[in-house]
Amino acid sequence: EDQVTQSPEALRLQEGESSSLNCSYTVSGLRGLFWYRQDPGKGPEFLFTLYSAGEEKEKERLKATLTKKESFLHITAPKPEDSATYLCAVLGTGANNLFFGTGTRLTVIP
Amino acid sequence: ETGVTQTPRHLVMGMTNKKSLKCEQHLGHNAMYWYKQSAKKPLELMFVYSLEERVENNSVPSRFSPECPNSSHLFLHLHTLQPEDSALYLCASSRGLAGDRYTGELFFGEGSRLTVL
Repeated sequence: EDQVTQSPEALRLQEGESSSLNCSYTVSGLRGLFWYRQDPGKGPEFLFTLYSAGEEKEKERLKATLTKKESFLHITAPKPEDSATYLCAVLGTGANNLFFGTGTRLTVIP
Repeated sequence: ETGVTQTPRHLVMGMTNKKSLKCEQHLGHNAMYWYKQSAKKPLELMFVYSLEERVENNSVPSRFSPECPNSSHLFLHLHTLQPEDSALYLCASSRGLAGDRYTGELFFGEGSRLTVL
């Protein structure tokens, strides 16, 4: 059965303090790993797709990386506006839909 | 207009009421989804429609009834709900067909916050 585990559950950072969020996954044939950002009271917003181990994607202060067992979302010099819940999801072979993790709630303190 | 619009944003209903949630997408996408989001739980897929045909029904109780009259509109009809059904209900769309390479790139609405008394 597909499984996605995100850690930590919550993370508090000072503004400018870089860190990483982890997404460990088990899936029968990875077709894609996806990162989303969700602000309170809103729907998730798509950030990145990673298809194969070794792949990296960047957007502003965020960089996502992928290995055969996990993905990291690196946040460099975060700002308060980066505060949100970050969700990881996988799409397995033959699946019609994503399997989501429970997310990491990031708070960046000015 | 925003890409995916959901109404109402907030809904309070009694256990004997009948109500509907509406979703409209302005992106020209072919697949639409209903998800349920509860605190401390992963997003839970409820229904998937691809070109107006239901392709997945994730063992959802019959008190939830979806309807997709065309590729731009999706409804979730609610009746005889239970308090544990209180949650954020999210609609999403993706280009292409459900299950293809774009399936993971979902565009979500802002959700309908449902409270069942």
